[in-house]
Amino acid sequence: GENVEQHPSTLSVQEGDSAVIKCTYSDSASNYFPWYKQELGKRPQLIIDIRSNVGEKKDQRIAVTLNKTAKHFSLHITETQPEDSAVYFCAQMYSSASKIIFGSGTRLSIRP
Amino acid sequence: NAGVMQNPRHLVRRRGQEARLRCSPMKGHSHVYWYRQLPEEGLKFMVYLQKENIIDESGMPKERFSAEFPKEGPSILRIQQVVRGDSAAYFCASSPTGGRTEAFFGQGTRLTVV
Repeated sequence: GENVEQHPSTLSVQEGDSAVIKCTYSDSASNYFPWYKQELGKRPQLIIDIRSNVGEKKDQRIAVTLNKTAKHFSLHITETQPEDSAVYFCAQMYSSASKIIFGSGTRLSIRP
Repeated sequence: NAGVMQNPRHLVRRRGQEARLRCSPMKGHSHVYWYRQLPEEGLKFMVYLQKENIIDESGMPKERFSAEFPKEGPSILRIQQVVRGDSAAYFCASSPTGGRTEAFFGQGTRLTVV
């Protein structure tokens, strides 16, 4: 099926702490998993992605992990900063050229 | 590379009018996706197009909505006889190929139906 579930829907963390957002998917044919950040009133922006032949990818304070067996992938943000406050969306694409399906989003707030 | 360009950025229509939203993909991109976003909600897939072809329109309402991506020119999302419930932000994204490649979003068109 074409479904990706995202948790939590809201997340509040103290500045400097880590934030973790998790997504699960149902279609084992999915092989590309991007993450987007959307600030208020702005476009979604790609921040990191991972392909199914990789288990983990890191870019500075952001990392994504993928567990194909369990069909879930996670976004990890370390040393959070105020500018990390935004809505984050996970997404999946299928092996055949097709649509991108998004999770329902996580509103991340960083407390000073 | 100017990125994905959408216009207009804001569009106000009266109930019953037509809305035409345009999306010019990034240079070299031949795949376009349209999404609708209601306030405080997620990105709902509408349609996926390649040049001159609709690949997947499973998210499009059955009536009043249509999309095209001609050989020349931008992709167009057309909403006929708009109703208040059509008020939303409409985003398009483009990618060089479909599936497994990065897709980049435009700034969106915010449609308000009065």
